[in-house]
Amino acid sequence: DIQMTQSPSTLSASVGDRVTITCRASQSISSWLAWYQQKPGKAPKLLIYKASSLESGVPSRFSGSGSGTEFTLTISSLQPDDFATYYCQQYNSYLITFGQGTRLEIK
Amino acid sequence: EVQLLESGGGLVQPGGSLRLSCAASGFTFSSYAMSWVRQAPGKGLEWVSAISGSGGSTYYADSVKGRFTISRDNSKNTLYLQMNSLRAEDTAVYYCAKAEYSSSSEYWYFDLWGRGTLVTVSS
Repeated sequence: DIQMTQSPSTLSASVGDRVTITCRASQSISSWLAWYQQKPGKAPKLLIYKASSLESGVPSRFSGSGSGTEFTLTISSLQPDDFATYYCQQYNSYLITFGQGTRLEIK
Repeated sequence: EVQLLESGGGLVQPGGSLRLSCAASGFTFSSYAMSWVRQAPGKGLEWVSAISGSGGSTYYADSVKGRFTISRDNSKNTLYLQMNSLRAEDTAVYYCAKAEYSSSSEYWYFDLWGRGTLVTVSS
């Protein structure tokens, strides 16, 4: 299986900050990576697919980059609604795997 | 409205069985692969199973292979997950998700999720 490792596990930040979350794959996954946002008690929401393609309706302050084994999700200016947990997911293999999650909390 | 609605969760004893359903609406169900993803209490997301649009191809995580069966009825726009030989570690919220392909990708990301149904395996 392809292992996905996110860092950091928890991130404390303030409204207006620029934040970056990293996701590393245990082997190359080309650009087959998606990012999701999840709030407590809610289903995940797709933000980014194919490493850098923004899902329709997602604010442009979210962006993704990377290829191969290292990827990043950047939020350019944090808004109050952005405090949530973020997951990466690889789809290079049918054995889909997710990162362990990064909890973004208010400083 | 485009949506997925899961049902069938509940409390079951270890070794027992349960069948989950996911009713889809607002899109051409048979055109899309579908998947189940679960989340144990306080934990991260774990992919469980997927099925092609026609139902002809199925895929399973090693943790459920041989115990769970995914199926679909395209005439009813419904996805199913038959869960047998349930274990305590299967306790989770189970989400139904619509699978999407990137151009030239073989496998899927998930662009539409249901609200989930809770399965608790306990004596």
